[in-house]
Amino acid sequence: AQKVTQAQTEISVVEKEDVTLDCVYETRDTTYYLFWYKQPPSGELVFLIRRNSFDEQNEISGRYSWNFQKSTSSFNFTITASQVVDSAVYFCPPNAGNMLTFGGGTRLMVKP
Amino acid sequence: DAGVTQSPTHLIKTRGQQVTLRCSPKSGHDTVSWYQQALGQGPQFIFQYYEEEERQRGNFPDRFSGHQFPNYSSELNVNALLLGDSALYLCASSLDGATNEKLFFGSGTQLSVL
Repeated sequence: AQKVTQAQTEISVVEKEDVTLDCVYETRDTTYYLFWYKQPPSGELVFLIRRNSFDEQNEISGRYSWNFQKSTSSFNFTITASQVVDSAVYFCPPNAGNMLTFGGGTRLMVKP
Repeated sequence: DAGVTQSPTHLIKTRGQQVTLRCSPKSGHDTVSWYQQALGQGPQFIFQYYEEEERQRGNFPDRFSGHQFPNYSSELNVNALLLGDSALYLCASSLDGATNEKLFFGSGTQLSVL
């Protein structure tokens, strides 16, 4: 079974600060996918990134970057120069068969 | 290009009643998954429909049932509602049943059971 732990339940930063959201997962599968989704107050989950277990390259997309380390089962997400619009709940579910396994998420509040 | 649409957006029911929630997938998508999100928690997988059949089910009782139509739209039915069924119900669509691809989510139906 898949499991994900996002130890930071809530983070508050001031605009333009950098922030890292931690994600630790557990899986018995040798091949798996990891995701990050953002859930703004509107409620709709928005896809941010997908990473398969064989690709440990870090990825950067604008102000967003991801650090996948298979050895520590972590898939952390960094926002550089945060903005108020980044305020949301962030989830990092792994997939298990045809389902995503969500943890409790991390609520990020970016204050102006 | 319409994304995933869900109806209604809000619903209030009383214990013991039955409810039907509806979802239209993103254009071109043929797979629909349903998730339940209680307040302050992450979404929990209910089931997935592909080719009009339930392909996988999460840890939910038989009171939760669903259906997929030939046009790929889907319904979620909940019978004998309990107070604990109060939650945001999210529908997600994808192509060809692949969940190693990204899911597109709707904005959800907020169900309140009184």
